Amino acid sequence: GQNIDQPTEMTATEGAIVQINCTYQTSGFNGLFWYQQHAGEAPTFLSYNVLDGLEEKGRFSSFLSRSKGYSYLLLKELQMKDSASYLCAVRDLRAAGNKLTFGGGTRVLVKP
Amino acid sequence: ETGVTQTPRHLVMGMTNKKSLKCEQHLGHNAMYWYKQSAKKPLELMFVYSLEERVENNSVPSRFSPECPNSSHLFLHLHTLQPEDSALYLCASSQDWGRKAETQYFGPGTRLLVL
Repeated sequence: GQNIDQPTEMTATEGAIVQINCTYQTSGFNGLFWYQQHAGEAPTFLSYNVLDGLEEKGRFSSFLSRSKGYSYLLLKELQMKDSASYLCAVRDLRAAGNKLTFGGGTRVLVKP
Repeated sequence: ETGVTQTPRHLVMGMTNKKSLKCEQHLGHNAMYWYKQSAKKPLELMFVYSLEERVENNSVPSRFSPECPNSSHLFLHLHTLQPEDSALYLCASSQDWGRKAETQYFGPGTRLLVL
């Protein structure tokens, strides 16, 4: 089975940086996704990591360490519109097809 | 706009009602998913269809009945639900269902309340 942990809630100030951590245990890691979900809206894809290291996409970056079972999503130059839940999801090599297991999500509140 | 639409967006139903949720994807994908999202719980995968064939059924009660008439449409038929079934039901699609990790694209969800 899989276990995915991420903090429930984080608060940060507009213009600042926030790092959302995600730890996982899996029998056969095969990729990690980050999604953003605004209240009442669809989760939208942010990033995908399958190899160790940092992936940067504008203000958002995602890091992966497979040996530590650890990822983080880094949000820079925070804007009010970044207030949302951020979901970490892991694909297990031994799971059927494209099955993802999701963490509970981290609600980020950006304050002025 | 993710290319995945869901109707209705909100639904209130009694425990004896029968209703259906509809999902349509305009992305040309071959795999479609139903998820349940309850408050303070992770997304739970319910069903997966690949090329109109059900390939995953995650121990979901029979009061939830999926249907995939073609690769663009997915339904979730609901009957004799319980109040604890109240949740956000999300549909998603991906290019394929296979060995390679594929990005899943989600619809906006149907907020269901069972009274």
